[in-house]
Amino acid sequence: EIVLTQSPATLSVSPGERATLSCRASQSVSSMLAWYQQKPGQTPRLLIYGVSTRATGIPARFSGSGSGTEFTLTISSLQSEDFAVYYCQQFDDWPRTFGQGTKLEIK
Amino acid sequence: QVQLVESGGGVVQPGRSLRLSCAASGFTFSSYAMHWVRQAPGKGLEWVAVTSYDGSQTYYADSVKGRFTISRDNSKNTVYLQMNSLRVADTAVYYCARDNGAFDFWGQGTLVTVSS
Repeated sequence: EIVLTQSPATLSVSPGERATLSCRASQSVSSMLAWYQQKPGQTPRLLIYGVSTRATGIPARFSGSGSGTEFTLTISSLQSEDFAVYYCQQFDDWPRTFGQGTKLEIK
Repeated sequence: QVQLVESGGGVVQPGRSLRLSCAASGFTFSSYAMHWVRQAPGKGLEWVAVTSYDGSQTYYADSVKGRFTISRDNSKNTVYLQMNSLRVADTAVYYCARDNGAFDFWGQGTLVTVSS
């Protein structure tokens, strides 16, 4: 099973600043990596797939990068609605696995 | 628009069974693989099972293998999760999700509580 490790567990950032979230895979997932956002009481929402492709309707301030085993989600200028939990997920192998999540909170 | 609506959750005793349903609309259901993903209270996301577009292939997480069965009825645009021998550790919100490589659409989830 491919283990995804996200860091940090919690990230405190001020509105308007940049946030950088990391996801490390225990083995290569090629470009089969996605990022999801989940707000309290809400369903996960797909943000990024294929490492760097934004899903429909996702603002340009969200960007993804990386390859192989190291991946990054960057939010360029945090808005109030961006404070949430973010999960990475690999869809390269079975079972599909998620990272444990990074909670992005207001500083 | 794409809609996924789960149902069938509830409170059940350990060892008992429950069947979840996910009704899909707004897309060609028979063209997509479908997944179940769960989230225990206050915890992260855990992938549970997948069925291929035609139901001919299924995969399961080790934690549910042999106890849960995923199936689909393309004539009803519905995917199911039959959960047997339920355990307290199965308590979670269960989401169905459409496979487009990543999981591009999710339902609102249905809560399953396993408790004596």
